[in-house]
Amino acid sequence: AQSVTQLGSHVSVSEGALVLLRCNYSSSVPPYLFWYVQYPNQGLQLLLKYTSAATLVKGINGFEAEFKKSETSFHLTKPSAHMSDAAEYFCAVSDHYGGSQGNLIFGKGTKLSVKP
Amino acid sequence: DSGVTQTPKHLITATGQRVTLRCSPRSGDLSVYWYQQSLDQGLQFLIQYYNGEERAKGNILERFSAQQFPDLHSELNLSSLELGDSALYFCASSPPGGDPLDTQYFGPGTRLTVL
Repeated sequence: AQSVTQLGSHVSVSEGALVLLRCNYSSSVPPYLFWYVQYPNQGLQLLLKYTSAATLVKGINGFEAEFKKSETSFHLTKPSAHMSDAAEYFCAVSDHYGGSQGNLIFGKGTKLSVKP
Repeated sequence: DSGVTQTPKHLITATGQRVTLRCSPRSGDLSVYWYQQSLDQGLQFLIQYYNGEERAKGNILERFSAQQFPDLHSELNLSSLELGDSALYFCASSPPGGDPLDTQYFGPGTRLTVL
């Protein structure tokens, strides 16, 4: 079975500081990994996805994530936080094993707060 | 705007009642996924349809059912509602092809409150 674990349900950073949101995965097959963002009272929006073409994946809004197989991690980073980054972030893995059809298995989410 | 629409935006009902949530996928998308987001369980996959046929089932209760119509819109029916069914229900759609790497585009959700 596949799963993702997000460390830290709440992360707070100052504006301009580095953002690091952690995600570890468990998968018996090569994983398809995603980061989604949910702004208050909105649906989820894809930030980036790992397709195995490159281990460093660049997404929207200046975010990027690095796939590290040895650490089973896919942490999300942004060099300089902006107030507009305040949202909840979800790491997800696509369940494509054993006949499943690509539905997403989400982590518990990490709420990012940005202080002025 | 993802192009996925969901109605209604909010729904307040009583225990024991039945409700129907509606989703229209992005133009051209054949897959529709339903997810439930609650404080207790987080975001959980419920069910997937592809071009009218059920493709995958997740943690969907027997009191819940769904279908996808020939025009590709989908409805999620929740019956014998309990307090614990209060949650945000999201619909997502993805492009034809059924590739697990395809991006899923999420609607704004329907917030269900069961009193």
